[in-house]
Amino acid sequence: KQEVTQIPAALSVPEGENLVLNCSFTDSAIYNLQWFRQDPGKGLTSLLLIQSSQREQTSGRLNASLDKSSGRSTLYIAASQPGDSATYLCAVKKSRETSGSRLTFGEGTQLTVNP
Amino acid sequence: EAQVTQNPRYLITVTGKKLTVTCSQNMNHEYMSWYRQDPGLGLRQIYYSMNVEVTDKGDVPEGYKVSRKEKRNFPLILESPSPNQTSLYFCASSRGLEGKNIQYFGAGTRLSVL
Repeated sequence: KQEVTQIPAALSVPEGENLVLNCSFTDSAIYNLQWFRQDPGKGLTSLLLIQSSQREQTSGRLNASLDKSSGRSTLYIAASQPGDSATYLCAVKKSRETSGSRLTFGEGTQLTVNP
Repeated sequence: EAQVTQNPRYLITVTGKKLTVTCSQNMNHEYMSWYRQDPGLGLRQIYYSMNVEVTDKGDVPEGYKVSRKEKRNFPLILESPSPNQTSLYFCASSRGLEGKNIQYFGAGTRLSVL
């Protein structure tokens, strides 16, 4: 059974710092990995999706990497801003999933960027 | 604007009183699903639907029902809610069936069962 772990559970940084969030998964046979942002009282917003054949994806100040063989992904946030404060979740989709596009989620990293 | 809309956003009810949480998407997505989010357990899939009239169980389907009579709607039904169904619920949709595409999530429904 796939398990997804995110470390750290919470992170507090001063504005302007570069930071890395970590995600690990136990079954390397994944189809893709997706990073989400969750704001309090709101739903999940997809940030980046990496297919299993890809090594990284970039969007603005965000860069997500994937090392499928070692079961790891990182989300790099450059020049962090207070508006980046949120909970960040990673989720993986199994390969050859016969039960639809089920995502297995980590519990998230709660990020606080202090002005 | 492309979106997934859930209603209600907040609901307090009592044990045994049937309720329905609606979910609607305007992106003509084939795939829709329901998740619940609980502290220490993360998000877990309840049910999913790969198209109209095609639904199947996720990881935690007990106590829930769904239907997919129209492509845009995927309601979650609790026939006899119990306190252990107190949770934050999310509906999600995506284009296509192979999971290559980004899943879009609704804003969530916070349910309390007393």
